[in-house]
Amino acid sequence: DSGVTQTPKHLITATGQRVTLRCSPRSGDLSVYWYQQSLDQGLQFLIQYYNGEERAKGNILERFSAQQFPDLHSELNLSSLELGDSALYFCASSVEGVERNTEAFFGQGTRLTVV
Amino acid sequence: AQTVTQSQPEMSVQEAETVTLSCTYDTSESDYYLFWYKQPPSRQMILVIRQEAYKQQNATENRFSVNFQKAAKSFSLKISDSQLGDAAMYFCAYRSAFIGRFGAGTRLTVKP
Repeated sequence: DSGVTQTPKHLITATGQRVTLRCSPRSGDLSVYWYQQSLDQGLQFLIQYYNGEERAKGNILERFSAQQFPDLHSELNLSSLELGDSALYFCASSVEGVERNTEAFFGQGTRLTVV
Repeated sequence: AQTVTQSQPEMSVQEAETVTLSCTYDTSESDYYLFWYKQPPSRQMILVIRQEAYKQQNATENRFSVNFQKAAKSFSLKISDSQLGDAAMYFCAYRSAFIGRFGAGTRLTVKP
C-alpha cells in the first residue's frame, strides 16, 4: 500500500459527460501529480499541485481541470468527455524540498471508460 | 524544461540473459534524482531503483543496476539474469525540487 488513495477505481460514463477523480496523498506529502496513461502507452504528465497551488502543467486539455484543497486532497475534473479520454488516470504524491530524494508514490489509478 | 526520453518503445530478452534499457534526460539543474519504475500488468507503479545525481557511484539493487553518466545525461537500467517476472513496462523518471517527469516507457518482454 503506497498510502495514496484514488477513488473511484473504475468509472464508466458516456461521451459528453463530466466526471471527477479524487486523490488523497500520503500523509505529509504536499505535492500531487496527475498522469494519464492510455492503453499500453506511457505516462503523460497532466498537472502538478504543491500545497494548494498549481506548480506545473503538462499536456492537459482545456476540458480538464484540477485543484488541490486545503486538506491536500486533489480532484481532477474531466468534462465533455470523448472516447479518446478513456485511460488510466494516476495520482502520485511526494515530499518536496529537503526530502526530495524520495520517489513519487502512486495510487492504484482510476480506470475511466468513456462509451 | 526538464524532459525524459526513452528511445526504446519495446525490448525483449531471453530468460537468464541481461538487458539494458536506455534513458536520457535534459535539465539545467545540478541537484536532482533519477528513478526507474516498473509497471507490471497489474498497472501498479513499483520503484525499482534510484540514483542521486551528486553520487558518482552507480546504484544497484540485486539484479538491477544503473549506468549513470551525468555529463551525457544518460541513465540506463541493466537487468541481469532476467526472469519471467521482470516482464513489464519500465519508466525512467527525473525529479528535482518540485518537479517530476517520466519517460514514455519501454515495454520489456522476457522469453522463456
